[in-house]
Amino acid sequence: DAGITQSPRHKVTETGTPVTLRCHQTENHRYMYWYRQDPGHGLRLIHYSYGVKDTDKGEVSDGYSVSRSKTEDFLLTLESATSSQTSVYFCAISEPQTGSVRYGYTFGSGTRLTVV
Amino acid sequence: KQEVTQIPAALSVPEGENLVLNCSFTDSAIYNLQWFRQDPGKGLTSLLLIQSSQREQTSGRLNASLDKSSGRSTLYIAASQPGDSATYLCAVRMDSSYKLIFGSGTRLLVRP
Repeated sequence: DAGITQSPRHKVTETGTPVTLRCHQTENHRYMYWYRQDPGHGLRLIHYSYGVKDTDKGEVSDGYSVSRSKTEDFLLTLESATSSQTSVYFCAISEPQTGSVRYGYTFGSGTRLTVV
Repeated sequence: KQEVTQIPAALSVPEGENLVLNCSFTDSAIYNLQWFRQDPGKGLTSLLLIQSSQREQTSGRLNASLDKSSGRSTLYIAASQPGDSATYLCAVRMDSSYKLIFGSGTRLLVRP
């Protein structure tokens, strides 16, 4: 989607190294999310943010940290990558209801991360 | 805990057929339900968003319905085409949260 970009698109890294994935949005949406997608597990929420410097954990947050210093950027960091973190990572954005307008989610194109 | 189930897991149909994909959820206190399409190796593309107060939404050949009380949604695809081949995911957003909970998807193959 044009309003949300992820970088890098692909990355191979070694076990034990730190890795940071970036999500950038141009929609000025308040909410941002990181999901991972794995065969047999579907899409699972890692962390989300409801504003600058406001973040919370999802269902699979162990081994991950996030930061949001600006509305448009949401960073996901693997402090010390493990093979179990090999996955496809998706960023998403949404906006809370304002008045009678309700929004869905928009997803980025994903980052394919391989930890060897 | 909300659980979202999609049946069937995979479906193969000849081109031109009308088809229905099913999504069920265990907790009816949803805020909205969204259908996505995912092509192999790609991201998720939003197809339809149904608010909890709505019964259905339509976009082109796609029609999605929602029955909150029974915990079910269906995605109807009319006159299927090979380009419709993809994985279709439904996801619910709960009243109390901004998080989406996904089903495991239905992998659709439309044969020429």
